[in-house]
Parts: sequence; structure tokens; C-alpha cells
Amino acid sequence: DTGVSQDPRHKITKRGQNVTFRCDPISEHNRLYWYRQTLGQGPEFLTYFQNEAQLEKSRLLSDRFSAERPKGSFSTLEIQRTEQGDSAMYLCASSQGWGSQETQYFGPGTRLLVL
Amino acid sequence: AQSVTQLGSHVSVSEGALVLLRCNYSSSVPPYLFWYVQYPNQGLQLLLKYTSAATLVKGINGFEAEFKKSETSFHLTKPSAHMSDAAEYFCAVRGAQGGFKTIFGAGTRLFVKA
Repeated sequence: DTGVSQDPRHKITKRGQNVTFRCDPISEHNRLYWYRQTLGQGPEFLTYFQNEAQLEKSRLLSDRFSAERPKGSFSTLEIQRTEQGDSAMYLCASSQGWGSQETQYFGPGTRLLVL
Repeated sequence: AQSVTQLGSHVSVSEGALVLLRCNYSSSVPPYLFWYVQYPNQGLQLLLKYTSAATLVKGINGFEAEFKKSETSFHLTKPSAHMSDAAEYFCAVRGAQGGFKTIFGAGTRLFVKA
């Protein structure tokens, strides 16, 4: 069990550029989540997938953000036309099971800095 | 709507002293509750979770939390703080009636003094 991995760990970009982050969940987990964490705050839910289906999206996920999980395994989060306010840690988590058995396991995050 | 409030953005204790991190939740039905720990530049690690099986939940690293429905609280405690406990702690809630969205509190940074 290698845990949840995210790539890259750090990304510096200029305002207006597009960026894409990747998340590889724990292999047998069917659920995958994206969160955003700004300095001094807890993670904020962005979206989640069950297998390849995107089942819920937060209002935080503007039209500049898009997430995919094409084969129900890894997922990508793309931010188009980045803004300075997008600077944050982007966390991915995965889980399996139902009800009380469901626990989310987090990756190390991708820290984005938009200049 | 569910929400979580963590009282105190910073808590400082001496090594060997009791650790108490406070969390109050708001939920229309008894939820699932979690405590996570985050070390600098790392993701979140699950400390413990409440799923209605028992009100006193024991977790890793000597931490435990007690679910008190009457107080809508889920405070995290550890009898004796260790230097390695210095980190950010997050309380989180998820509805027990379907849905997988988890709501996190703003976090409490724990400082441990030698």
C-alpha cells in the first residue's frame, strides 16, 4: 500500500497560466476527493468522484476549474487562467467502503503559488 | 447544514501536560466525526473517528476523544504532551445519512514547550 500520491508537490506559475495537478489514489479505493487549503484554514471540499463519475462539486469550483477521473483510477485537477487567489495547497484524498467504514486518506498535497 | 467550530486557533502546553483541543459541531442528525493531524508541508493523517459505536474513541499516538451529544462536542485529549505532538489539528464532520462530503474546522495549532 503506497498511499495517496500527488504530483507535483510544488508549482509556481504566473497569473493567467494554466496548471494541472495529478492524484493517484490508493489502488483499491473507488472514491477520490479534491480539497483546497489556504493558509491558516482547514481543507475546503471541491469535488469528489465515485469511480469515474463526478458526483458532487462545490460552489468553490468555478468554471476555471475542471477535474477528471477518466478511468476511475488517477485524477487530474486543472485550473485555467490562474489568479493570485488560487494560491493554496490542493489536497487529494481517497476512500472506499460505506457509512462508518468509509475513511478518507490524504495525499501530501500540491502547493500552488500564483505570481 | 453541517459545520464545525474549533475553539482556539493556537494552544500551547508544556511537555508532559494535558492536551485539550476543543471541537463543537452542528448537524441535524448524529454525524460521523473525525480528528486529523497535519505536520508542516504534509497531508492530513487520521487520528481517530467517531461512528456511533462508542462515545469514547481511542486513536493513534495516545489521543482520544469523547462524543457528547448534549454538548454537541467532540474534544480531543491526550494525558501527556510530547514534543512530537506539535502540529495542526483539524476536527471534521460528515453526515451519517448518505453523502461523502466532509466539512473541516479551521484547525488548532498545538505548540509544545520543553
